[in-house]
Amino acid sequence: EVQLVESGGGLVQPGGSLRLSCAASGFTFSGYWMTWVRQAPGKGLEWVANIKQDGSEKYYVGSVKGRFTISRDNAKNSLYLQMNSLRVEDTAVYHCARHIDWAFDMWGRGTLVTVSS
Amino acid sequence: QSALTQPPSASGSPGQSVTISCTGTSSDVGSYNYVSWYQQHPGKAPKLMIYEVNKRPSGVPDRFSGSKSGNTASLTVSGLQTEDEADYYCSSFEGSNISYVFGSGTKVTVL
Repeated sequence: EVQLVESGGGLVQPGGSLRLSCAASGFTFSGYWMTWVRQAPGKGLEWVANIKQDGSEKYYVGSVKGRFTISRDNAKNSLYLQMNSLRVEDTAVYHCARHIDWAFDMWGRGTLVTVSS
Repeated sequence: QSALTQPPSASGSPGQSVTISCTGTSSDVGSYNYVSWYQQHPGKAPKLMIYEVNKRPSGVPDRFSGSKSGNTASLTVSGLQTEDEADYYCSSFEGSNISYVFGSGTKVTVL
């Protein structure tokens, strides 16, 4: 069974840092682009970043460039999102998703990040 | 990177059809056949329903169909069923920033 499980969310103060993880199973992780998508409470989906199979290409939404870093460890079947200089507006559920054919075909249930003083 | 425009809500009775529009620009929807649609029930992860404008992943009922004309894509749900009541989001590849953009979301209600 294909599964994506996020972890690492929590409460952090503005300006703080957090590292999210996504554990993949049930498929050949190293064969896929991977993505992070977030959803603020009661709001819509927002694409955050994606990363190529070998990590050689990474792309970000403008609002997180310079603050967030996406990475992966194919040996551990894991995807990461390092989030620095966090802002109140970064509060959201963060989902990892598998990329296929210019779409996101498998999603994790997400981990909640709350940025508040 | 502005969100794609969707109507906030749509509704129909069981057995009827509902169509949701998704309007973007010449930098995203208008330039690429990389539009996808997602269904999200409350508290659940999104589910891919349509990709590359009109292709259905395995397991998605053929009641769901997609199309595109110019800068606007559409999702049609035919033969509405109660389990189709959910939020629906479109998404498109956006070439100028090499990124993806989602729609604002449409809540579909089955009356």
